Amino acid sequence: NAGVTQTPKFQVLKTGQSMTLQCAQDMNHEYMSWYRQDPGMGLRLIHYSVGAGITDQGEVPNGYNVSRSTTEDFPLRLLSAAPSQTSVYFCASSYSGARGTEAFFGQGTRLTVV
Amino acid sequence: SQQGEEDPQALSIQEGENATMNCSYKTSINNLQWYRQNSGRGLVHLILIRSNEREKHSGRLRVTLDTSKKSSSLLITASRAADTASYFCATGGYNQGGKLIFGQGTELSVKP
Repeated sequence: NAGVTQTPKFQVLKTGQSMTLQCAQDMNHEYMSWYRQDPGMGLRLIHYSVGAGITDQGEVPNGYNVSRSTTEDFPLRLLSAAPSQTSVYFCASSYSGARGTEAFFGQGTRLTVV
Repeated sequence: SQQGEEDPQALSIQEGENATMNCSYKTSINNLQWYRQNSGRGLVHLILIRSNEREKHSGRLRVTLDTSKKSSSLLITASRAADTASYFCATGGYNQGGKLIFGQGTELSVKP
């Protein structure tokens, strides 16, 4: 099984450009999330989804949009890239469960905005 | 703001020694998880401990949880060079839709 697949692995954008980071999972997980990782900051939650058609904001949602039209896919859109969005982005998925379940992470997208 | 704070931020030990990392958090939790991240890679789940559990083992890993002190510790026994990585704690809340709040991580270096 592929697990969680993120594309692209690397991307360089110019300030003001837009782009979509792709995330797909083949485990039929209800929950999906996007995080960004900056040096010394750990991971911060951008947006998350509890199922198709349902999304919500995390800790740092500004400048990002998401949608969840299928269970498998959860793309992250940067509307107008800024240098402050230079980061490593991780997508994660997990089963639903009242007592919590482990998250499976993709390998990340390293984004540089110049 | 991030939920967890980890201590120490960096730890360097010799192969065969034990490594202990600590995590503190701020709000009530449903579960606490530990993840490992090798340089430049995604995170890998190590262990999950629920709020009604006090200790859990998995191979060379031992995790404790003290909800009264809002803290957890991860012990890696008989460490190996391959354990060199960053370790993160993450907390999950009740009915939080899989959301995890991460600490800043501990960078572990195990020297052969």
